[in-house]
Amino acid sequence: DTAVSQTPKYLVTQMGNDKSIKCEQNLGHDTMYWYKQDSKKFLKIMFSYNNKELIINETVPNRFSPKSPDKAHLNLHINSLELGDSAVYFCASSLLSGAYNEQFFGPGTRLTVL
Amino acid sequence: KQEVTQIPAALSVPEGENLVLNCSFTDSAIYNLQWFRQDPGKGLTSLLLIQSSQREQTSGRLNASLDKSSGRSTLYIAASQPGDSATYLCAVRELGSARQLTFGSGTQLTVLP
Repeated sequence: DTAVSQTPKYLVTQMGNDKSIKCEQNLGHDTMYWYKQDSKKFLKIMFSYNNKELIINETVPNRFSPKSPDKAHLNLHINSLELGDSAVYFCASSLLSGAYNEQFFGPGTRLTVL
Repeated sequence: KQEVTQIPAALSVPEGENLVLNCSFTDSAIYNLQWFRQDPGKGLTSLLLIQSSQREQTSGRLNASLDKSSGRSTLYIAASQPGDSATYLCAVRELGSARQLTFGSGTQLTVLP
């Protein structure tokens, strides 16, 4: 009954590989997000989807491509992985509007690129 | 562009003390403000959410205040316990279309037994 789940929890891969991280929420939220936490623990928004449509795309290399097959899922695909992509990636979800718009976070995916 | 600052970056206190964590933001046009806790190697746990129209929220030993006009929020922790040791993150939710969160860099709290 986890609210926001991510898989895998850990991902270790070689430079140049392509990998995906999956995210699912069962809270009935209409908006989902991907955040990146770097080695200095700073969290920064990458993408946001509302009702399966991309509504924000920060300055992220186009090697990163989010895909939202439905409102409950937001996956992150990364092509040609680089050393600098090593970080913890967090998925989050919320309602875009209204009083109950708290953002809930998944447990994170720790990506290590060797 | 919104910037969120948290002071101090690290804080160490003896058990039982009351303490205040500070958060400041540069653009007062926010949707709401959220305080999170992050334990080492773990995800984020939401502690308190304050809507832009509210002045404070309380949950157990935690009290968060918001002064939107001055761009400040504080998190007050009463009677601190070793289990409160974690990194505390402040995040403001933008008024833009995506209403994404902009995070501060966090305060690492250590409560000594």
